[in-house]
Amino acid sequence: GAVVSQHPSWVICKSGTSVKIECRSLDFQATTMFWYRQFPKQSLMLMATSNEGSKATYEQGVEKDKFLINHASLTLSTLTVTSAHPEDSSFYICSAPHDTGNQPQHFGDGTRLSIL
Amino acid sequence: SQQGEEDPQALSIQEGENATMNCSYKTSINNLQWYRQNSGRGLVHLILIRSNEREKHSGRLRVTLDTSKKSSSLLITASRAADTASYFCATAQLRSWGKLQFGAGTQVVVTP
Repeated sequence: GAVVSQHPSWVICKSGTSVKIECRSLDFQATTMFWYRQFPKQSLMLMATSNEGSKATYEQGVEKDKFLINHASLTLSTLTVTSAHPEDSSFYICSAPHDTGNQPQHFGDGTRLSIL
Repeated sequence: SQQGEEDPQALSIQEGENATMNCSYKTSINNLQWYRQNSGRGLVHLILIRSNEREKHSGRLRVTLDTSKKSSSLLITASRAADTASYFCATAQLRSWGKLQFGAGTQVVVTP
């Protein structure tokens, strides 16, 4: 079945570093992908919608200059956390919807980001 | 923002018992999906129920949907220790194709 691959699965880095997370659709094309953030013991919060060939759409309260999204091809979206600080430490998960929109989403395995 | 609430927040049961959790949402939807998440891991899709469906089964899972009350329930029958996880409902709203709003989740612990 369709699979979404997310890389890396775990990142530990120093404060001030920029971190890039990749989300790939492996056997289907995804013109739209979604990025979620999950803090410990909390639910997933939608951060932004990644649109192939155009600008991402950010949810209210999400800083677009902080979380840069690039969707340069039909199979790859990247999320870059710029100048990361400890409060950005979280679990980031991407997803890609099925063609029809009334099918289950395909989720990546997530990236655990820890900023020291 | 989150679409709605889930209850209970936590549930502790013994193997063999049934586990029921509920989800409420606020706006009209295309479908509602249930996911499982083991600690620190990604999401596993369980069941999708469309807005014109009232009940769906998959193995030991039973999902109901009441669009008049904007609520859904997930029943896990004959639970096993391996069912220990967090369970989330997620709604796909009308005219928001693909975008999911997640509930707060129910943490289920099944003890042998």
